[in-house]
Amino acid sequence: DQQVKQNSPSLSVQEGRISILNCDYTNSMFDYFLWYKKYPAEGPTFLISISSIKDKNEDGRFTVFLNKSAKHLSLHIVPSQPGDSAVYFCAASVNNAGNMLTFGGGTRLMVKP
Amino acid sequence: ETGVTQTPRHLVMGMTNKKSLKCEQHLGHNAMYWYKQSAKKPLELMFVYNFKEQTENNSVPSRFSPECPNSSHLFLHLHTLQPEDSALYLCASSQYRGNEKLFFGSGTQLSVL
Repeated sequence: DQQVKQNSPSLSVQEGRISILNCDYTNSMFDYFLWYKKYPAEGPTFLISISSIKDKNEDGRFTVFLNKSAKHLSLHIVPSQPGDSAVYFCAASVNNAGNMLTFGGGTRLMVKP
Repeated sequence: ETGVTQTPRHLVMGMTNKKSLKCEQHLGHNAMYWYKQSAKKPLELMFVYNFKEQTENNSVPSRFSPECPNSSHLFLHLHTLQPEDSALYLCASSQYRGNEKLFFGSGTQLSVL
């Protein structure tokens, strides 16, 4: 039973346009959410996070939105660049659970020049 | 050297072999983790160590045996593995407190023949 789901295995976007990656979760105890990016042959690298007390967090071209009532979060990348092509993982944790992250299955983003 | 370093990067072993994966973190963190990424599956947490003490064993078979001699080093000892254990094994570290991001190594790609 997957507690964190990324229903789109892949997404293709034109350079300069917005990329929107979605993530749904079922565990209402989750209160911290993260996005990681993974290039081939490398480990995941942290991208951006959001606490459940917020509904938006922005860092440069990357913005994460959290809708707690819908148990849904999304990552917006604008403008998208070819270097953003990677697999993006959504992850969630419970504050008092020692940073044990539960990951989604990932979405492969391809940004076309 | 900085970050989280894993060796070897690639490993091929037979089902009767014994091998070990090594992880070292240079970030001053006090928690270390083993994650497994199988094809077409989300990253799965295997073990968590907090200040060298194992705090989580996520129902991992005994053919995987972790060892954490200090806060900077983590091993995963492998013996009598099965072909279905072929996967990418990722080590991560963090501070052991709520809402902290994990830093991952590049992983060991394991193939069991």
